[in-house]
Amino acid sequence: GEQVEQRPPHLSVREGDSAIIICTYTDSATAYFSWYKQEAGAGLQLLMSVLSNVDRKEEQGLTVLLNKKDKRLSLNLTAAHPGDSAVYFCAASHYNQGKLIFGQGTKLSIKP
Amino acid sequence: EAAVTQSPRNKVAVTGGKVTLSCNQTNNHNNMYWYRQDTGHGLRLIHYSYGAGSTEKGDIPDGYKASRPSQENFSLILELATPSQTSVYFCASGTGFSDYTFGSGTRLLVI
Repeated sequence: GEQVEQRPPHLSVREGDSAIIICTYTDSATAYFSWYKQEAGAGLQLLMSVLSNVDRKEEQGLTVLLNKKDKRLSLNLTAAHPGDSAVYFCAASHYNQGKLIFGQGTKLSIKP
Repeated sequence: EAAVTQSPRNKVAVTGGKVTLSCNQTNNHNNMYWYRQDTGHGLRLIHYSYGAGSTEKGDIPDGYKASRPSQENFSLILELATPSQTSVYFCASGTGFSDYTFGSGTRLLVI
C-alpha cells in the first residue's frame, strides 16, 4: 500500500527565514495531497490541499510544490514567525479510497 | 460551527479493562476515522466508517473495535486494554478523500 515518508523530523529556523518540509510517496496513483498543522495539545488543522493535476499552489505565505515524476511533495513557509511553531504533517490519498495516509510529522521551531 | 468533539480528553485505564472513546461530529460528513498518534509514527489509521452501521479496518486494527451507530457518532472500543495502547487518539470526519476535520484528541494512559 501507499507509504509516505516525511523529512526532516525536526527543523529549526530563524524568524523571517524560510522553512521547507518534504514528503515522498510511493504510489503513482495517489491523487490528493494535503498539509496539516498541529499546535501543542491540539488536533490537526488543514493548511492546504492540492489535487495531483496541480504542480504549485500558494496561499498566505505557504507554497506547496508537487513533483509527480519524483513523487515528491513539499511545503515552503516563507518569512516564518513564532506562530508557525508546530508539528506539520503531509497526507496523501487515492480518489477511490476514503482515507488519508500521513507522514511522520516535522516539528518546526522558530528562533527569535 | 461544525466540529468534531471527542470525549474524554484524558483517560487512565487499567490493563485488561474496557475503554470506550467517543466521537461526535456536526459536519454531516459521511466518513469518520480513528487514528492514533505516537512519536516517530505520525498518525496511523485504526478504523474508519463510510456511514452509519459501517466500520472498516484501517492499518492497525488489532486490539480495537469500532462502532458507528449514527451519522454523528463513532466510537473506538478497547475490550482488553494493554499498556501498548497508551497513546493519543484522534477522531476525524471527512467526505471521501477530501479534507478532514479533526477533534482535539484523547490522551489514553493504560497502567
